[in-house]
Amino acid sequence: QSALTQPASVSGSPGQSITISCTGTGSDVGTYNLVSWYQHHPDKAPKLIIYDVSKRPSGVSDRFSGSKSDNTASLTISGLQAEDEADYYCCSYAGSSTFVFGTGTKVTVL
Amino acid sequence: EVQVMESGGGLVQPGGSLRLSCGASGFTFSTYAMSWVRQAPGKGLEWVSSITSSSGTTYYADSVKGRFTISRDNSKNTLSLQMNSLRADDTAVYYCAKDRGFVPVGEFHYWGQGTLVTVSS
Repeated sequence: QSALTQPASVSGSPGQSITISCTGTGSDVGTYNLVSWYQHHPDKAPKLIIYDVSKRPSGVSDRFSGSKSDNTASLTISGLQAEDEADYYCCSYAGSSTFVFGTGTKVTVL
Repeated sequence: EVQVMESGGGLVQPGGSLRLSCGASGFTFSTYAMSWVRQAPGKGLEWVSSITSSSGTTYYADSVKGRFTISRDNSKNTLSLQMNSLRADDTAVYYCAKDRGFVPVGEFHYWGQGTLVTVSS
């Protein structure tokens, strides 16, 4: 159950697009389309923003989108806004009803 | 409105025990799988344990297997985590999270604010 690999930090200017990668293995991301993404502001509850690789829960901005290729999932934030500054985590099903989170990415809006 | 709220955190000595609780409201608790996720200071999120809606099956991360026990009382809309043989690396904020359906799929739609567990002498 090794953590999925994410870049430690990603930054962008307001209005730009950024992409966060989430690299796993053939035992998790590569096999299952059960990848979710969470936005976590300090001292707040994490928030689900993407599930099933690319689906958005009701109420989540369409500026957030997800995709997957082989063992790597990606989260793209378009039209970056100041409120997007937060930590982002991916999570994948890893078989036998176990789950693994990514190492987390700090997004900074310049 | 869906709400989950953790309680029971605190300071405990290494080797000690602690029981966390999570109260749920705003949804039919007995029809959803529930999970615990933790975040150590300065670290990322880590899945800890999950339980099916009927309490029929439980699942654990290797790091807590044999030491932690997840359970639920559907009559009281309450999720619990019994933590034994605690170690310093169990120090973390523990979150309760609601999954999508009867069985856990790692789709945590709702989270509590978390409760801090500190293991230290």
